[in-house]
Amino acid sequence: GDSVTQMEGPVTLSEEACLTINCTYTATGYPSLFWYVQYPGEGLQLLLKATKADDKGSNKGFEATYRKETTSFHLEKGSVQVSDSAVYFCALSEDNQGGKLIFGQGTELSVKP
Amino acid sequence: NAGVMQNPRHLVRRRGQEARLRCSPMKGHSHVYWYRQLPEEGLKFMVYLQKENIIDESGMPKERFSAEFPKEGPSILRIQQVVRGDSAAYFCASSTTGELFFGEGSRLTVL
Repeated sequence: GDSVTQMEGPVTLSEEACLTINCTYTATGYPSLFWYVQYPGEGLQLLLKATKADDKGSNKGFEATYRKETTSFHLEKGSVQVSDSAVYFCALSEDNQGGKLIFGQGTELSVKP
Repeated sequence: NAGVMQNPRHLVRRRGQEARLRCSPMKGHSHVYWYRQLPEEGLKFMVYLQKENIIDESGMPKERFSAEFPKEGPSILRIQQVVRGDSAAYFCASSTTGELFFGEGSRLTVL
């Protein structure tokens, strides 16, 4: 069946460092891909998404490109801030509604001043 | 506009008891999803409901678990005769079409 694999955390970075969180997927069809973020004490929020190959999702300085050839959707940010400390979840959806998601296990990011 | 509200945030039950978790979707949202996060795992889809209808329950365990979304009131996830393996965080999400909005989750601990 479909699945999502993320790099394990926790990831600890200094402020202004570059961030990459790897995400790869397996799917039978042509899924939409998502990154969700969970800040401490809050629910998951959609960070960005891409619905077809070569699409780039971006938001709040984060980017991820839908790579069909490598089945990847890596999350990147050029300069992280302390406020980016959170748990990041990669996910895919094969349904048009985008509600039935398959999640990776999450990657905790801690950014130190 | 209030977000998705889940309660209780924390629930402790002894083995064999019942657990009821409630989810009030965002105003105007008629689609509700329940997800479960077991320790050290990602969120796993359980069930998708619209008002008074279960649309997809392919992720629900076959026994002891049930969900409803009545015409009035919140969606309820009910776990009967809880076991230690039910200890997890249960997340509810709502949508109209497209983006999901998640609640903060309900953490169930079974002693």
